[in-house]
Amino acid sequence: GAVVSQHPSRVICKSGTSVKIECRSLDFQATTMFWYRQFPKQSLMLMATSNEGSKATYEQGVEKDKFLINHASLTLSTLTVTSAHPEDSSFYICSARPGQGMANEKLFFGSGTQLSVL
Amino acid sequence: DAKTTQPTSMDCAEGRAANLPCNHSTISGNEYVYWYRQIHSQGPQYIIHGLKNNETNEMASLIITEDRKSSTLILPHATLRDTAVYYCIVSPLKGGGSNYKLTFGKGTLLTVNP
Repeated sequence: GAVVSQHPSRVICKSGTSVKIECRSLDFQATTMFWYRQFPKQSLMLMATSNEGSKATYEQGVEKDKFLINHASLTLSTLTVTSAHPEDSSFYICSARPGQGMANEKLFFGSGTQLSVL
Repeated sequence: DAKTTQPTSMDCAEGRAANLPCNHSTISGNEYVYWYRQIHSQGPQYIIHGLKNNETNEMASLIITEDRKSSTLILPHATLRDTAVYYCIVSPLKGGGSNYKLTFGKGTLLTVNP
């Protein structure tokens, strides 16, 4: 099956620093990628949708200047948490939707990134 | 967006069938029923999806009622590795932009017991 690689799997950083998370579709081209956040014992919350070559669409309440999303190619999207604070500590998960012609009716998810801000 | 309702938790004996219900009474005609699961501290895994016909694959079967207001995911022979949170989601299949996205509810925690 299609594989989505997400790195790093775990990161610890100091408050005020920025952290970049990468999401790669390894064997397919992803026209759309999604970023989710999940707090302990809660469900996944969609943060933003990114389409290759265009600006990301953020969900209500998600600060676009704090969570920078770049989808520069059909196989790579990055999420940068800028000026991270302890309340940003969470499990971040990316997902990718294949382009047309390759069973694009389902999403493939990365393994997630556990961010801990000290 | 159509919403789904699932039981918070369920238990199942290993080797037995696990039947997970989902209500989606406000589903629209162009929305599909998707099932994903999330094992602890991992990303969600696709299981199955369908529109109105029953579907079966190597992982599970999906039974959708004729009025499409509810569905049941069936794991025919549950194993300990099937312990996970199972999410039932409705979403339009086609369309780009903001139309296609998967919004996760709270799901059902299925615990498979030895």
